[in-house]
Amino acid sequence: DVKVTQSSRYLVKRTGEKVFLECVQDMDHENMFWYRQDPGLGLRLIYFSYDVKMKEKGDIPEGYSVSREKKERFSLILESASTNQTSMYLCASSLRRELTDTQYFGPGTRLTVL
Amino acid sequence: GENVEQHPSTLSVQEGDSAVIKCTYSDSASNYFPWYKQELGKRPQLIIDIRSNVGEKKDQRIAVTLNKTAKHFSLHITETQPEDSAVYFCAALSTTSGTYKYIFGTGTRLKVLA
Repeated sequence: DVKVTQSSRYLVKRTGEKVFLECVQDMDHENMFWYRQDPGLGLRLIYFSYDVKMKEKGDIPEGYSVSREKKERFSLILESASTNQTSMYLCASSLRRELTDTQYFGPGTRLTVL
Repeated sequence: GENVEQHPSTLSVQEGDSAVIKCTYSDSASNYFPWYKQELGKRPQLIIDIRSNVGEKKDQRIAVTLNKTAKHFSLHITETQPEDSAVYFCAALSTTSGTYKYIFGTGTRLKVLA
Protein backbone atom coordinates (compact mmCIF):
# COMPACT_ATOMS: atom_id res chain seq x y z
CA ASP A 1 0.00 0.00 0.00
CA VAL A 2 1.29 3.41 -0.95
CA LYS A 3 1.70 5.69 1.99
CA VAL A 4 1.90 9.45 1.76
CA THR A 5 2.25 11.23 5.05
CA GLN A 6 2.24 14.88 5.97
CA SER A 7 3.97 16.27 9.03
CA SER A 8 0.94 17.97 10.60
CA ARG A 9 -2.84 17.65 10.28
CA TYR A 10 -3.46 21.10 11.76
CA LEU A 11 -1.18 24.10 11.99
CA VAL A 12 -1.74 27.63 13.28
CA LYS A 13 0.81 30.32 12.44
CA ARG A 14 1.05 34.07 12.62
CA THR A 15 1.38 36.48 9.73
CA GLY A 16 5.00 36.84 8.69
CA GLU A 17 6.16 33.52 10.11
CA LYS A 18 8.13 31.08 8.00
CA VAL A 19 6.17 27.84 7.63
CA PHE A 20 7.41 24.42 6.58
CA LEU A 21 5.03 21.69 5.43
CA GLU A 22 6.61 18.28 5.00
CA CYS A 23 5.48 15.38 2.84
CA VAL A 24 6.98 11.91 2.75
CA GLN A 25 6.14 8.96 0.50
CA ASP A 26 7.45 5.45 0.98
CA MET A 27 7.02 3.94 -2.50
CA ASP A 28 10.00 5.34 -4.39
CA HIS A 29 7.73 7.59 -6.48
CA GLU A 30 9.43 9.97 -8.88
CA ASN A 31 6.75 12.64 -8.87
CA MET A 32 5.55 14.69 -5.96
CA PHE A 33 3.03 17.51 -5.90
CA TRP A 34 1.72 20.20 -3.59
CA TYR A 35 -1.87 21.43 -3.96
CA ARG A 36 -4.04 23.74 -1.97
CA GLN A 37 -7.74 23.07 -1.62
CA ASP A 38 -10.22 25.86 -1.08
CA PRO A 39 -14.04 25.72 -1.13
CA GLY A 40 -15.41 26.34 -4.60
CA LEU A 41 -11.95 26.32 -6.16
CA GLY A 42 -11.09 22.64 -6.04
CA LEU A 43 -7.47 21.57 -6.00
CA ARG A 44 -4.92 23.99 -7.39
CA LEU A 45 -1.36 22.99 -8.12
CA ILE A 46 1.31 25.03 -6.33
CA TYR A 47 4.53 23.21 -7.26
CA PHE A 48 5.60 19.80 -8.44
CA SER A 49 8.81 17.84 -8.70
CA TYR A 50 9.88 15.06 -11.07
CA ASP A 51 13.15 14.25 -9.44
CA VAL A 52 15.47 15.11 -6.60
CA LYS A 53 16.46 18.79 -6.62
CA MET A 54 14.08 19.40 -9.48
CA LYS A 55 11.00 21.60 -9.20
CA GLU A 56 8.49 23.20 -11.50
CA LYS A 57 5.92 25.89 -10.83
CA GLY A 58 2.28 24.99 -10.89
CA ASP A 59 -0.61 27.38 -11.31
CA ILE A 60 -0.28 29.37 -8.09
CA PRO A 61 3.39 29.40 -6.98
CA GLU A 62 3.46 32.96 -5.69
CA GLY A 63 4.34 33.15 -2.01
CA TYR A 64 5.59 29.56 -1.91
CA SER A 65 8.81 27.68 -2.50
CA VAL A 66 9.68 24.01 -2.36
CA SER A 67 12.60 21.74 -1.61
CA ARG A 68 13.29 18.18 -2.66
CA GLU A 69 16.65 17.10 -1.31
CA LYS A 70 15.68 13.42 -1.08
CA LYS A 71 13.44 11.41 -3.35
CA GLU A 72 10.96 10.52 -0.63
CA ARG A 73 10.53 14.01 0.82
CA PHE A 74 8.98 17.13 -0.65
CA SER A 75 8.72 20.27 1.44
CA LEU A 76 6.51 23.29 0.89
CA ILE A 77 7.78 26.54 2.35
CA LEU A 78 5.85 29.71 3.03
CA GLU A 79 8.60 32.29 3.42
CA SER A 80 6.36 34.86 5.09
CA ALA A 81 2.89 33.50 5.82
CA SER A 82 -0.10 35.67 5.01
CA THR A 83 -3.77 35.30 5.92
CA ASN A 84 -4.71 34.47 2.32
CA GLN A 85 -2.58 31.35 2.62
CA THR A 86 -5.02 29.91 5.14
CA SER A 87 -6.07 26.71 3.40
CA MET A 88 -5.96 22.94 3.26
CA TYR A 89 -2.66 21.77 1.75
CA LEU A 90 -2.50 18.38 0.09
CA CYS A 91 0.61 16.55 -0.98
CA ALA A 92 0.48 13.82 -3.63
CA SER A 93 2.88 11.46 -5.35
CA SER A 94 2.87 9.26 -8.43
CA LEU A 95 5.25 6.66 -9.72
CA ARG A 96 6.59 7.84 -13.05
CA ARG A 97 6.65 11.09 -14.95
CA GLU A 98 5.64 10.18 -18.46
CA LEU A 99 3.00 7.62 -17.76
CA THR A 100 -0.48 8.22 -16.50
CA ASP A 101 0.05 6.89 -13.03
CA THR A 102 -2.33 7.30 -10.17
CA GLN A 103 -1.74 10.18 -7.80
CA TYR A 104 -1.81 9.18 -4.16
CA PHE A 105 -2.70 11.90 -1.71
CA GLY A 106 -1.59 12.59 1.82
CA PRO A 107 -4.14 13.31 4.57
CA GLY A 108 -3.75 17.07 4.23
CA THR A 109 -2.57 19.87 6.50
CA ARG A 110 -5.09 22.50 7.49
CA LEU A 111 -3.09 25.70 7.90
CA THR A 112 -4.56 28.74 9.60
CA VAL A 113 -2.62 32.01 9.41
CA LEU A 114 -3.71 34.58 11.98
CA GLY B 1 -4.14 28.44 -19.44
CA GLU B 2 -5.64 25.00 -19.27
CA ASN B 3 -8.74 24.51 -17.21
CA VAL B 4 -11.38 21.95 -16.31
CA GLU B 5 -14.98 22.95 -15.66
CA GLN B 6 -17.09 20.70 -13.48
CA HIS B 7 -20.87 20.70 -13.00
CA PRO B 8 -22.92 20.69 -10.92
CA SER B 9 -21.24 22.01 -7.79
CA THR B 10 -23.79 20.26 -5.58
CA LEU B 11 -26.06 17.34 -6.33
CA SER B 12 -28.71 15.70 -4.17
CA VAL B 13 -30.27 12.39 -5.18
CA GLN B 14 -32.52 9.88 -3.52
CA GLU B 15 -30.95 6.60 -2.51
CA GLY B 16 -31.16 4.17 -5.41
CA ASP B 17 -31.27 6.88 -8.07
CA SER B 18 -28.43 7.66 -10.48
CA ALA B 19 -26.03 10.59 -10.28
CA VAL B 20 -24.16 12.18 -13.18
CA ILE B 21 -21.30 14.66 -12.90
CA LYS B 22 -19.89 16.33 -15.99
CA CYS B 23 -16.51 17.87 -16.77
CA THR B 24 -15.21 19.80 -19.75
CA TYR B 25 -11.52 20.32 -20.44
CA SER B 26 -9.63 22.78 -22.58
CA ASP B 27 -6.33 21.07 -23.44
CA SER B 28 -7.04 19.00 -26.55
CA ALA B 29 -3.82 17.05 -25.95
CA SER B 30 -5.10 15.68 -22.63
CA ASN B 31 -5.21 11.89 -22.74
CA TYR B 32 -5.93 10.74 -19.20
CA PHE B 33 -8.89 11.59 -16.99
CA PRO B 34 -9.10 10.36 -13.39
CA TRP B 35 -11.94 10.82 -10.93
CA TYR B 36 -11.35 11.25 -7.21
CA LYS B 37 -13.70 10.83 -4.28
CA GLN B 38 -13.08 12.78 -1.12
CA GLU B 39 -15.10 11.88 1.94
CA LEU B 40 -15.47 14.41 4.70
CA GLY B 41 -12.16 14.97 6.47
CA LYS B 42 -10.32 12.44 4.34
CA ARG B 43 -7.86 12.52 1.47
CA PRO B 44 -8.95 12.32 -2.19
CA GLN B 45 -8.84 8.78 -3.54
CA LEU B 46 -8.94 7.59 -7.12
CA ILE B 47 -12.17 5.77 -7.93
CA ILE B 48 -12.00 5.36 -11.68
CA ASP B 49 -10.04 6.69 -14.63
CA ILE B 50 -10.23 6.64 -18.40
CA ARG B 51 -7.66 7.02 -21.12
CA SER B 52 -8.28 8.72 -24.42
CA ASN B 53 -8.23 5.53 -26.48
CA VAL B 54 -11.54 4.33 -25.00
CA GLY B 55 -14.97 5.91 -24.83
CA GLU B 56 -16.35 4.25 -21.72
CA LYS B 57 -15.19 2.34 -18.69
CA LYS B 58 -17.25 0.64 -15.98
CA ASP B 59 -16.45 -0.62 -12.52
CA GLN B 60 -19.51 -2.05 -10.78
CA ARG B 61 -21.84 0.90 -10.06
CA ILE B 62 -19.45 3.51 -11.42
CA ALA B 63 -18.85 4.37 -15.06
CA VAL B 64 -17.03 7.10 -16.89
CA THR B 65 -17.64 8.22 -20.46
CA LEU B 66 -15.36 10.30 -22.63
CA ASN B 67 -16.15 12.36 -25.72
CA LYS B 68 -12.82 13.59 -27.09
CA THR B 69 -14.39 15.55 -29.91
CA ALA B 70 -16.47 17.60 -27.52
CA LYS B 71 -13.73 17.54 -24.85
CA HIS B 72 -15.95 16.37 -22.07
CA PHE B 73 -16.19 13.39 -19.77
CA SER B 74 -18.74 12.30 -17.22
CA LEU B 75 -19.00 10.19 -14.08
CA HIS B 76 -22.09 8.04 -13.69
CA ILE B 77 -23.04 6.41 -10.39
CA THR B 78 -25.98 4.03 -10.47
CA GLU B 79 -28.04 2.72 -7.55
CA THR B 80 -26.59 5.36 -5.26
CA GLN B 81 -26.07 4.56 -1.60
CA PRO B 82 -25.55 6.85 1.43
CA GLU B 83 -21.85 5.96 1.45
CA ASP B 84 -21.53 7.55 -1.99
CA SER B 85 -22.02 10.93 -0.31
CA ALA B 86 -18.74 12.81 -0.79
CA VAL B 87 -17.06 15.45 -2.92
CA TYR B 88 -16.05 14.19 -6.35
CA PHE B 89 -13.25 15.77 -8.39
CA CYS B 90 -12.52 15.24 -12.04
CA ALA B 91 -9.09 15.91 -13.49
CA ALA B 92 -7.38 16.02 -16.85
CA LEU B 93 -3.73 15.33 -17.46
CA SER B 94 -2.38 18.34 -19.30
CA THR B 95 0.75 17.96 -21.38
CA THR B 96 1.32 21.53 -22.46
CA SER B 97 4.91 22.58 -23.13
CA GLY B 98 6.30 19.12 -22.45
CA THR B 99 5.36 19.06 -18.79
CA TYR B 100 2.76 16.81 -17.28
CA LYS B 101 0.36 18.09 -14.68
CA TYR B 102 -3.16 17.44 -13.53
CA ILE B 103 -5.79 20.13 -13.80
CA PHE B 104 -8.63 19.53 -11.37
CA GLY B 105 -12.26 20.52 -11.57
CA THR B 106 -13.77 22.51 -8.72
CA GLY B 107 -15.57 19.52 -7.22
CA THR B 108 -19.15 18.28 -6.87
CA ARG B 109 -20.67 17.68 -3.46
CA LEU B 110 -22.94 14.67 -3.81
CA LYS B 111 -25.55 14.00 -1.15
CA VAL B 112 -27.44 10.74 -1.24
CA LEU B 113 -30.65 11.05 0.73
CA ALA B 114 -31.85 7.92 2.51
